[in-house]
Amino acid sequence: DTGVSQNPRHKITKRGQNVTFRCDPISEHNRLYWYRQTLGQGPEFLTYFQNEAQLEKSRLLSDRFSAERPKGSFSTLEIQRTEQGDSAMYLCASKGDYYEQYFGPGTRLTVT
Amino acid sequence: AQSVTQLDSQVPVFEEAPVELRCNYSSSVSVYLFWYVQYPNQGLQLLLKYLSGSTLVKGINGFEAEFNKSQTSFHLRKPSVHISDTAEYFCAVTSGDYKLSFGAGTTVTVRA
Repeated sequence: DTGVSQNPRHKITKRGQNVTFRCDPISEHNRLYWYRQTLGQGPEFLTYFQNEAQLEKSRLLSDRFSAERPKGSFSTLEIQRTEQGDSAMYLCASKGDYYEQYFGPGTRLTVT
Repeated sequence: AQSVTQLDSQVPVFEEAPVELRCNYSSSVSVYLFWYVQYPNQGLQLLLKYLSGSTLVKGINGFEAEFNKSQTSFHLRKPSVHISDTAEYFCAVTSGDYKLSFGAGTTVTVRA
């Protein structure tokens, strides 16, 4: 069990550019979650997958955001035409048969 | 839908003193409750969880929490803190879909 990993750990981009983040969950965990955390706030739910199926998306997830989990393994979160308001920590978590979610170290996005 | 209120945004405490972090939740259904800790520039680490059964739950690093259904609270306590407990603490709630709703966090600063 190597834990949840996320790449990159930090990303600085210019407004209007596209960015993609990757999350590798704990192997055999069937659920994968994405959260966004802004400074001084708790994480907010964005979306989650059961295996390869995306089951729920938050209203926070505008049409500039898209997430995939091909083959039910790793997941990617893409943000198109980034805006300064997208600057945040993006956290990924995975969950197996029990109730707790295990979080990765996060990807910190800075949009200049 | 569920929501979480953490009643203290910042808690300064001296080393070896006790600390209590307060958390209240609202939900129309049965919930599962969690406390997570976040160290600077890191992801979230699970401290403890309440699923059912005994209302007093013990977690890692000497932390414990008490679930009070009538007061809809889940306060976190530690009888004697260390410098290394300096971090941000998040209370979270979930129901059947297992997506987490977090409070805004409590920053604990332990001073020598």
